[in-house]
Amino acid sequence: DAKTTQPPSMDCAEGRAANLPCNHSTISGNEYVYWYRQIHSQGPQYIIHGLKNNETNEMASLIITEDRKSSTLILPHATLRDTAVYYCIVRVANRDDKIIFGKGTRLHILP
Amino acid sequence: NAGVTQTPKFQVLKTGQSMTLQCAQDMNHEYMSWYRQDPGMGLRLIHYSVGAGITDQGEVPNGYNVSRSTTEDFPLRLLSAAPSQTSVYFCASSYAQGRETQYFGPGTRLLVL
Repeated sequence: DAKTTQPPSMDCAEGRAANLPCNHSTISGNEYVYWYRQIHSQGPQYIIHGLKNNETNEMASLIITEDRKSSTLILPHATLRDTAVYYCIVRVANRDDKIIFGKGTRLHILP
Repeated sequence: NAGVTQTPKFQVLKTGQSMTLQCAQDMNHEYMSWYRQDPGMGLRLIHYSVGAGITDQGEVPNGYNVSRSTTEDFPLRLLSAAPSQTSVYFCASSYAQGRETQYFGPGTRLLVL
């Protein structure tokens, strides 16, 4: 089973920041938080990952709480092209074990 | 560099027929995996491989076989297709060590009648 809990769907107005939450209360000390997204009919796309520090790249920011039991993916200026299903995954980096996706959050960007 | 390629893009099968979904990557990735995605559902892991000659089961392996004779290829076999296997199938690959980003193929849409 997936180790994360995400809301099934969210709405966000175009141009506003989209904040997608993820709960991972059983995360271990050596597990990273990864985010992927899947735009309709396409294969999933990697967005960002982190261990305990906040991370930022050209696509998004990842905020991880101090106790690491939850995190938030932030899309700073959402556009219609950000409409997708967003998946939060926890796993140990550099391990050969399987990667399990949950059901994700369906993000609707409203014009 | 083509990334992860999958063939065919679409396939219609009759119940009981067999077929192989092809997946290939040219990035020298050790880790490869197969997922299925049903309408409105998330991705479910079928089988995965951490290197040539090594495969293991995922969440929903029944009805599917895999093999990994080369680093580049990871075919998924349906020995006797069933309507419950109607789905979209995605293949993915990544480095086993270091970078953990998974790269996904475009998917194969399978309809079993």
